[in-house]
Amino acid sequence: ETGVTQTPRHLVMGMTNKKSLKCEQHLGHNAMYWYKQSAKKPLELMFVYNFKEQTENNSVPSRFSPECPNSSHLFLHLHTLQPEDSALYLCASSQDRSSYGYTFGSGTRLTVV
Amino acid sequence: GQNIDQPTEMTATEGAIVQINCTYQTSGFNGLFWYQQHAGEAPTFLSYNVLDGLEEKGRFSSFLSRSKGYSYLLLKELQMKDSASYLCAVRDSGYSTLTFGKGTMLLVSP
Repeated sequence: ETGVTQTPRHLVMGMTNKKSLKCEQHLGHNAMYWYKQSAKKPLELMFVYNFKEQTENNSVPSRFSPECPNSSHLFLHLHTLQPEDSALYLCASSQDRSSYGYTFGSGTRLTVV
Repeated sequence: GQNIDQPTEMTATEGAIVQINCTYQTSGFNGLFWYQQHAGEAPTFLSYNVLDGLEEKGRFSSFLSRSKGYSYLLLKELQMKDSASYLCAVRDSGYSTLTFGKGTMLLVSP
């Protein structure tokens, strides 16, 4: 365990389903992130929360909806996804300007069928 | 815009030395990071450079030249367990957000 826990580890969902990914950190970090990792592509930043406030939304389609109820928890709500949304979704946390950058969770491997 | 470039794949032999290069063009600069990611696992922090020069940490070293927009990760005495993807990432000025390269898949063979 890295200190950032993501559930579930694997998820298969149909295009009409609604599901949520969960991320939890107890490292005392003040920022949390969602990244998408697809084969042969760089990690793509999706959302950033700083002290529970969303500070960045990188033109992500509305079928992805983040929620940050407190500084330790982050959710990604999914609905009416497309097959091209299949990827590894990584959650990360950080303390601003830390020399360690991010601490990542192990990710959720999402397959949309 | 942001652009971070690193080789897609590299191969090396157990016990050898390998250097993974990373070049970047970003709007700001507040540090460069290297992460290691084994298949199916979380990326884990390896090194951080914010000033020019070499940072050494055991078998791994990382170098930065800010004027050239260039970094490398040097892995010595390679072991089979070093087979992984190595991600180069740059932090913009004033923010914690990291921009990542595509990663370099390193295969270490016996």
